[in-house]
Amino acid sequence: AQKVTQAQTEISVVEKEDVTLDCVYETRDTTYYLFWYKQPPSGELVFLIRRNSFDEQNEISGRYSWNFQKSTSSFNFTITASQVVDSAVYFCALPYSGAGSYQLTFGKGTKLSVIP
Amino acid sequence: DGGITQSPKYLFRKEGQNVTLSCEQNLNHDAMYWYRQDPGQGLRLIYYSQIVNDFQKGDIAEGYSVSREKKESFPLTVTSAQKNPTAFYLCATGTSGRYNEQFFGPGTRLTVL
Repeated sequence: AQKVTQAQTEISVVEKEDVTLDCVYETRDTTYYLFWYKQPPSGELVFLIRRNSFDEQNEISGRYSWNFQKSTSSFNFTITASQVVDSAVYFCALPYSGAGSYQLTFGKGTKLSVIP
Repeated sequence: DGGITQSPKYLFRKEGQNVTLSCEQNLNHDAMYWYRQDPGQGLRLIYYSQIVNDFQKGDIAEGYSVSREKKESFPLTVTSAQKNPTAFYLCATGTSGRYNEQFFGPGTRLTVL
């Protein structure tokens, strides 16, 4: 079954702290991609990263980094030195299994609050 | 400017009325999607379209209808058959391909009174 689990519903951190958002997935595909999106209070989802299952190297983009571990089916997202502007809901997503399917399965999201 | 436009941002309707949400894009993307988001929930797919004049049901299509007469436009009609239509509706677009990222519009918040 296709499933994305984001067990952390809400997280609060003080500005400049590091924070990790967890994402665990289930898929029967042997080749797949994973996505992270950010939804600020304005509501529009912003694409952050797409990662394929072939590459397990960590990805870093500024203060953002992603740790993909196929062995544990996890794709965790870390924000270093968090800032108030990082306050948002973050979603992890996975394409549906099966050729010809273009749908994304989203986790329920983790709401991050960064307190000044 | 390239982008995705959804209008209106806020919409209020009386129970039993049909309402149409607009989604327009000038990104030249083939694929367009409609999602529904409820508080504390992830996004759930209502309908999607990979090409003009063709669309497919998503997980929660009941009570909704769509059309795709032009590449740029993918309007969503929330009918009176939708039992709980109050929600945040997001339109997305993407290039063809199962693993390509989707890009989202600003959303429409529909409240049925």
